[in-house]
Amino acid sequence: NAGVTQTPKFQVLKTGQSMTLQCAQDMNHNSMYWYRQDPGMGLRLIYYSASEGTTDKGEVPNGYNVSRLNKREFSLRLESAAPSQTSVYFCASRRQLETGSSTFGSGTRLTVV
Amino acid sequence: AQTVTQSQPEMSVQEAETVTLSCTYDTSESDYYLFWYKQPPSRQMILVIRQEAYKQQNATENRFSVNFQKAAKSFSLKISDSQLGDAAMYFCAYRGLVGNQFYFGTGTSLTVIP
Repeated sequence: NAGVTQTPKFQVLKTGQSMTLQCAQDMNHNSMYWYRQDPGMGLRLIYYSASEGTTDKGEVPNGYNVSRLNKREFSLRLESAAPSQTSVYFCASRRQLETGSSTFGSGTRLTVV
Repeated sequence: AQTVTQSQPEMSVQEAETVTLSCTYDTSESDYYLFWYKQPPSRQMILVIRQEAYKQQNATENRFSVNFQKAAKSFSLKISDSQLGDAAMYFCAYRGLVGNQFYFGTGTSLTVIP
């Protein structure tokens, strides 16, 4: 099993450019999440999808949009990248009825210049 | 919103010794889950141990154990017989029983000294 797969692993963008981070899981999990990790801030939830067809805002949603394309895939889009969005982005998934832990992807390091 | 606090930004331990990482949280819920995740330099987030709040017995996974004090809202991680491979950033996390959101602490960077 691949688990949670994120692409790309690294990306450099210019201010104002747009891009989509891709995430796919092969564990038949219902819930999927996007986090950003910044030094000294831990992981902060951007958006999540409790099930296919639903999405909800997390703690820091501004500047982002998401799409739950199907049960496997959950993408994160930056419409107009800003230097403040320089961060490491993690996708995670969780089976609804499981005792609670999430499985994480290996992260995308995004730099906006 | 729930908050998770890790008051030790950095810790170090001698190889083969024991170290305890601290975590406190704030919640009004009575049932919830607590986790410790390990993040090595590879960036991968790896689940170390989980605790269900309704269980009084402290969780144990090999060399890793927790001291869960529900009344004090404290959830510390003890690593016994520390190994070089334990060097990583450790995150404490909280999730309510019903909700979908995880709340993470700011992390503790653990160095293992040979």
